Amino acid sequence: AQTVTQSQPEMSVQEAETVTLSCTYDTSESDYYLFWYKQPPSRQMILVIRQEAYKQQNATENRFSVNFQKAAKSFSLKISDSQLGDAAMYFCAWPAGGTSYGKLTFGQGTILTVHP
Amino acid sequence: DTGVSQNPRHKITKRGQNVTFRCDPISEHNRLYWYRQTLGQGPEFLTYFQNEAQLEKSRLLSDRFSAERPKGSFSTLEIQRTEQGDSAMYLCASSSGPWAQYFGPGTRLLVL
Repeated sequence: AQTVTQSQPEMSVQEAETVTLSCTYDTSESDYYLFWYKQPPSRQMILVIRQEAYKQQNATENRFSVNFQKAAKSFSLKISDSQLGDAAMYFCAWPAGGTSYGKLTFGQGTILTVHP
Repeated sequence: DTGVSQNPRHKITKRGQNVTFRCDPISEHNRLYWYRQTLGQGPEFLTYFQNEAQLEKSRLLSDRFSAERPKGSFSTLEIQRTEQGDSAMYLCASSSGPWAQYFGPGTRLLVL
């Protein structure tokens, strides 16, 4: 089965500090995308960052960056200089079924709390 | 650039009633997806359209569920004879390719 696993149900971080959220996945494909989505309490799912599997360089978007380890099938999200607005549920997602369709399989989510 | 919109945002219905939700994707996006999300869980895929063609349906989508995307623009998701187990957030997403999906705010359904 092609799955996505987030092993941390909850994480917390102090404002201005750095936190890393973990994600592992299982696939036999060689070319795919990986995504991190954020879902604040308002519940609108927001795309945070994406990684293309064929690129060795880790993706970065402002304070958000990924550590992509293709061989280990690991895709973690690092949030630097955490802000109160980063508090949300974070989902790792992967297009199981191939990139031709792109339907996403989501992990179980990690609730991130940011303490002032 | 307007985002994905969904209507209604909230729906309360009695068991056995039919409900219909609408999704308006980002205008240039030819791919449209429906997902269902229950509290504390990640979204689960329901169905996928490319233009007006429904290319895939999840086994989660029972015969009571039907989705359409006439003319490849907006999409509707209908649930017939609703059951309490249908209570969930129904999310719509659109994309122009496999590199990113953009989600709407969702329709929260409560079946009494």
